[in-house]
Amino acid sequence: DQQVKQNSPSLSVQEGRISILNCDYTNSMFDYFLWYKKYPAEGPTFLISISSIKDKNEDGRFTVFLNKSAKHLSLHIVPSQPGDSAVYFCAARWTQGGSEKLVFGKGTKLTVNP
Amino acid sequence: SAVISQKPSRDICQRGTSLTIQCQVDSQVTMMFWYRQQPGQSLTLIATANQGSEATYESGFVIDKFPISRPNLTFSTLTVSNMSPEDSSIYLCSVEDRMNTEAFFGQGTRLTVV
Repeated sequence: DQQVKQNSPSLSVQEGRISILNCDYTNSMFDYFLWYKKYPAEGPTFLISISSIKDKNEDGRFTVFLNKSAKHLSLHIVPSQPGDSAVYFCAARWTQGGSEKLVFGKGTKLTVNP
Repeated sequence: SAVISQKPSRDICQRGTSLTIQCQVDSQVTMMFWYRQQPGQSLTLIATANQGSEATYESGFVIDKFPISRPNLTFSTLTVSNMSPEDSSIYLCSVEDRMNTEAFFGQGTRLTVV
């Protein structure tokens, strides 16, 4: 049972336009959501996060929106740049047995075309 | 932030053999995490390694198959034992920054079992 779903395996956008990456989750116990970016042959790197008590968090060109009622979050990148081309993972955090765990989606490969 | 050095970066191994993956962190951390990413799948937590105690394994993972060592607060190893082609994956170690609620990853070990 996949608790964090990224239903789009890939996304292609033109440079300068907006990229919107989507993520759905099923577990209402998640209290924190994170986005990671991964380049080939490298480990994932943290991008931006949002607490479950907020609905928006912005950091430069990156904005994450959270819709708790829909159990949906999205990452907006604007304007998109070719260097943003990578695989983006959505992750959700919850506490189980006194320890925190991260659950990841399968990732969305973003390609930004010049 | 934390800098994580993971090695080897890749290996091709014969079935039935074992491979030990090393993870070195540039700062002392309480918990280290080991993940697996099978082709087309999300990052899946294998186990959590605490210094001075046995690792805690997630459902579907057992110590005999994935023994973990954690001799000090900056180092851990994961061994993939008695490998089969189904073990072909990317294995990543990770640490968390509790202050910022981020996770930092090594660059990963791409394992191919033939």
